[in-house]
Amino acid sequence: DQQVKQNSPSLSVQEGRISILNCDYTNSMFDYFLWYKKYPAEGPTFLISISSIKDKNEDGRFTVFLNKSAKHLSLHIVPSQPGDSAVYFCAPRSHKLIFGTGTRLQVFP
Amino acid sequence: NAGVTQTPKFRVLKTGQSMTLLCAQDMNHEYMYWYRQDPGMGLRLIHYSVGEGTTAKGEVPDGYNVSRLKKQNFLLGLESAAPSQTSVYFCASSYSRGLVSYEQYFGPGTRLTVT
Repeated sequence: DQQVKQNSPSLSVQEGRISILNCDYTNSMFDYFLWYKKYPAEGPTFLISISSIKDKNEDGRFTVFLNKSAKHLSLHIVPSQPGDSAVYFCAPRSHKLIFGTGTRLQVFP
Repeated sequence: NAGVTQTPKFRVLKTGQSMTLLCAQDMNHEYMYWYRQDPGMGLRLIHYSVGEGTTAKGEVPDGYNVSRLKKQNFLLGLESAAPSQTSVYFCASSYSRGLVSYEQYFGPGTRLTVT
C-alpha cells in the first residue's frame, strides 16, 4: 500500500520553461512535506518544504503547492536550468519521512 | 564541517559474508536513519534511531541490525549477506524538536553488491 505516489517516473523540459513535478499521498495525518533532489552517485539533498497549514511555499525558482483536499502537492521550477536535471523525491512526514519513488527530470538546452 | 559521511563507498560481498556499514555525522543531530534505494523503489527505511542507545525498525528491517553506541555514529550490520541485499545504502541524520524530526541530511551512499 503506497502512501506516496509520484506517478510520472520521468519528465523532460526545455531550458527556461516551467517544470512541474507532482506527488499524491493517501494519509491525511501527514503534517509536513519535503522535496529532495538527488544527483547520480550522491545522496539526496533537501530542496524545499511546506507545512500543512500553508498552501504555498516559495524559495527562489522553486515553489511547492499543497492541496490538502486533493492530497496532492506539486513542485514548480521556473525557469528550469540544465543543472536541475536530477531525480526529485517528495517525502511527506508523519513521525518519519515516507519517500515517493521519484521523478527523473531532464532539462535540455 | 563534514556533514554525514559513510564508510565504505563500495563493497562486494559473497553470499553469507558479513559486514558493517559506518555512518558518522558532526551536526549533533539526535535522529539518524538507514535507507536502501533500489531501482524504481525510492528510498525505503531500514532502521532508525531517535537518540544514543536507541534503535527502531523501519519499513524493511529483515536481515539487518543496527547500533547507536555514540550519538554521532550509526552502524548498519549485515550478518549473512544475500543477493537481495544488493543495493545502494544511504545514511541520514536530522534535527529534532521533541518527537518531531525535520529535514534529513544524507550521506553520499554505499554501493553494495552481493554475489
